[in-house]
Amino acid sequence: KNQVEQSPQSLIILEGKNCTLQCNYTVSPFSNLRWYKQDTGRGPVSLTIMTFSENTKSNGRYTATLDADTKQSSLHITASQLSDSASYICVVSRYGQNFVFGPGTRLSVLP
Amino acid sequence: DAGVTQSPTHLIKTRGQQVTLRCSPKSGHDTVSWYQQALGQGPQFIFQYYEEEERQRGNFPDRFSGHQFPNYSSELNVNALLLGDSALYLCASSDRLAGGPYEQFFGPGTRLTVL
Repeated sequence: KNQVEQSPQSLIILEGKNCTLQCNYTVSPFSNLRWYKQDTGRGPVSLTIMTFSENTKSNGRYTATLDADTKQSSLHITASQLSDSASYICVVSRYGQNFVFGPGTRLSVLP
Repeated sequence: DAGVTQSPTHLIKTRGQQVTLRCSPKSGHDTVSWYQQALGQGPQFIFQYYEEEERQRGNFPDRFSGHQFPNYSSELNVNALLLGDSALYLCASSDRLAGGPYEQFFGPGTRLTVL
């Protein structure tokens, strides 16, 4: 079954700290993996997109990694800010098919 | 460029009623996908339209239908509303002919509440 799992379900950190979010998937055939940031009540916004041949990609303070062999990805956030408080969704695209979304990790950054 | 726009922002309906949600894609995009996102969950794919036809469909009943117009805008219709249809409905647009992993741009969503 094509699934995307994320951990932890929720996370609370202090402003300025780093954190890492995890994503495991069983989707095939694999095309690419995306991380989205979704503020409450808003549409998701793309952070990174990685294809099979890429194992890391950065977007400012966000760095995503991909291990296509173990079917795992992580999103590392450096020097967190209050505005990083949001849900982070891992999405895997299948060739010729549409996207499979994970349930998201809810991140809260406290001052 | 206004990006992806959706209307209305919020909507309240009662069980059994019908609803129509609207989406205008980002300029230059020809493909529209619709998603349902229940509270605290990730989005679930409903269907995708391009060239004015439904091309892919997720695991949703026939009560969910759609349409795409020649200007690429799209409508999502839901008949015989159930309480479980209460959710944030997201529209995403993309350029089907763009090279590489095409990017999807999401609208702000329509919050539907069924009472």
